[in-house]
Amino acid sequence: GENVEQHPSTLSVQEGDSAVIKCTYSDSASNYFPWYKQELGKRPQLIIDIRSNVGEKKDQRIAVTLNKTAKHFSLHITETQPEDSAVYFCAGVAYSGAGSYQLTFGKGTKLSVIP
Amino acid sequence: NAGVTQTPKFQVLKTGQSMTLQCAQDMNHEYMSWYRQDPGMGLRLIHYSVGAGITDQGEVPNGYNVSRSTTEDFPLRLLSAAPSQTSVYFCASSYSTSPWDTEAFFGQGTRLTVV
Repeated sequence: GENVEQHPSTLSVQEGDSAVIKCTYSDSASNYFPWYKQELGKRPQLIIDIRSNVGEKKDQRIAVTLNKTAKHFSLHITETQPEDSAVYFCAGVAYSGAGSYQLTFGKGTKLSVIP
Repeated sequence: NAGVTQTPKFQVLKTGQSMTLQCAQDMNHEYMSWYRQDPGMGLRLIHYSVGAGITDQGEVPNGYNVSRSTTEDFPLRLLSAAPSQTSVYFCASSYSTSPWDTEAFFGQGTRLTVV
């Protein structure tokens, strides 16, 4: 099955600086990589995703890059704001049988944006 | 459209007690799953189901049972609660029929304490 490693586990940045979170995956057949944000006391929610036929995807201050050869993908947040403070999870998708696909999550990165 | 509804939000159990965490979704998703979230451990898959009548074990299934009699409902049963099962539990659902349909929609979570 898929194994997803995520680094760093904690990250502190000054407001306005950039933040980068990196993930590696093991299953070379994986071709879809979502990112989830979990604010304190809330449920995880999808913020951005990328397919394997695309190298980079942007949505305002958030971008994700993918390197299929090296089997790693990264989340980039520019001009960080206090409301970006949360736990971020990367995930890989693997076939789980019976015509179904399953998410495997990284262990999460706690991002703190210091005003 | 309620999405994924999970109850209760909070629960305190005594060691040895049993209970059922309820999860229901109204999005006609085939794939449903249960995760537990512990500090520093990310989201770990307990059990999952790819459709009514079909369930399978995830990464940490011991001490938990599930059943899927309908597409909408996926309850999680703790057979004999132990302090090690103190955690936050999330139910999630998705279409999961292709890699790009795996966006997981999470319930609001259940904070369980076993004393």
